[in-house]
Amino acid sequence: GENVEQHPSTLSVQEGDSAVIKCTYSDSASNYFPWYKQELGKGPQLIIDIRSNVGEKKDQRIAVTLNKTAKHFSLHITETQPEDSAVYFCAALEDSNYQLIWGAGTKLIIKP
Amino acid sequence: GAGVSQSPSNKVTEKGKDVELRCDPISGHTALYWYRQRLGQGLEFLIYFQGNSAPDKSGLPSDRFSAERTGESVSTLTIQRTQQEDSAVYLCASSRPNRLAGGPNSYNEQFFGPGTRLTVL
Repeated sequence: GENVEQHPSTLSVQEGDSAVIKCTYSDSASNYFPWYKQELGKGPQLIIDIRSNVGEKKDQRIAVTLNKTAKHFSLHITETQPEDSAVYFCAALEDSNYQLIWGAGTKLIIKP
Repeated sequence: GAGVSQSPSNKVTEKGKDVELRCDPISGHTALYWYRQRLGQGLEFLIYFQGNSAPDKSGLPSDRFSAERTGESVSTLTIQRTQQEDSAVYLCASSRPNRLAGGPNSYNEQFFGPGTRLTVL
């Protein structure tokens, strides 16, 4: 089955700098990769996703890249702001049963 | 419109008691998921409903855990004879129906509720 690894577990960056979170997956048949943001006391919320037919997707300050050959995908946040502080989860859609397999999460801390 | 709601928001119980957690999905969302999130950890899949049937119960950690769903609406997660290791946030999510083998464009976003924080003393 699918296995997703996420790094780093904690990331601290200066406000205004960029943040990059990386995930690797094991099942080459996986074809959908979402990123969710979880703020304190709330449920996760989808912020961006990428499907296997594209290599990069951008939405304002956030972008996701996908390397199918290497089986890894990354979240990039530019010009970080205090409201970006949260836990970010990556996931991969398991092709056999259509379930999301989640990474362990990255706690992003934006230092003022 | 209204999002996914869960109740109670917090539940404190004594070891050995049964608890029932409720999830109200977004109207029209036929798919419903339950997850467990221990403190500082990721999401642990418990069970998935499509309508009122549960094609995937593989994540339920023991026979003390069960879930049911009425039609395409409310779902309840029941934990019997609670143990201290059951302490966690239990998250519910719903989505529009996904078409199996429909390719990458047929999977729909999961919308999460705020969770129920369960503490077993």
